[in-house]
Amino acid sequence: DAGVIQSPRHEVTEMGQEVTLRCKPISGHDYLFWYRQTMMRGLELLIYFNNNVPIDDSGMPEDRFSAKMPNASFSTLKIQPSEPRDSAVYFCASSLGSGKQFFGPGTRLTVL
Amino acid sequence: RKEVEQDPGPFNVPEGATVAFNCTYSNSASQSFFWYRQDCRKEPKLLMSVYSSGNEDGRFTAQLNRASQYISLLIRDSKLSDSATYLCVTGDDMRFGAGTRLTVKP
Repeated sequence: DAGVIQSPRHEVTEMGQEVTLRCKPISGHDYLFWYRQTMMRGLELLIYFNNNVPIDDSGMPEDRFSAKMPNASFSTLKIQPSEPRDSAVYFCASSLGSGKQFFGPGTRLTVL
Repeated sequence: RKEVEQDPGPFNVPEGATVAFNCTYSNSASQSFFWYRQDCRKEPKLLMSVYSSGNEDGRFTAQLNRASQYISLLIRDSKLSDSATYLCVTGDDMRFGAGTRLTVKP
């Protein structure tokens, strides 16, 4: 079975540009999570969805970040405008119920 | 105080050693706990759940101490392949610790 799929795997962009990260969760999973990982701050939960509905977005750093889940098999995380401090690895994870999470390979974002 | 705290290490141990990590959590209402393993430049992968009575999976033992609000991971007979960062997480609110880095040396 396919695991969590994320695209792109690497993204290099310039400050001020819009960035869209994509995630396809494991089929049948009802929870989807977006995380950001940096050396300084570790793994931070940004937002999570249950049955496509955002449940907790308190981790979203600011209004430049937005996330959507239009259906059970797709989610996006958008940063507009991007800033150099947004450079990080962004992980998407999914789970059945609120327990064990399965992570995608991540998107390594560099904002110049 | 951070919600989930771990000693960042690094822990450098010889092959065959026994090593233990602790992870403290602040949310006393937390009910579920997990240990994840993360290799360099890879995604975290579930290592094991932590049950109230403690549980074992081969060389790995996880324990929960609710009174002191910490969970632990014990690795026996360390292998070179155990070298990684180990992350604890409270499943209810998805708060990850910063991770403990382990290096097992020949």
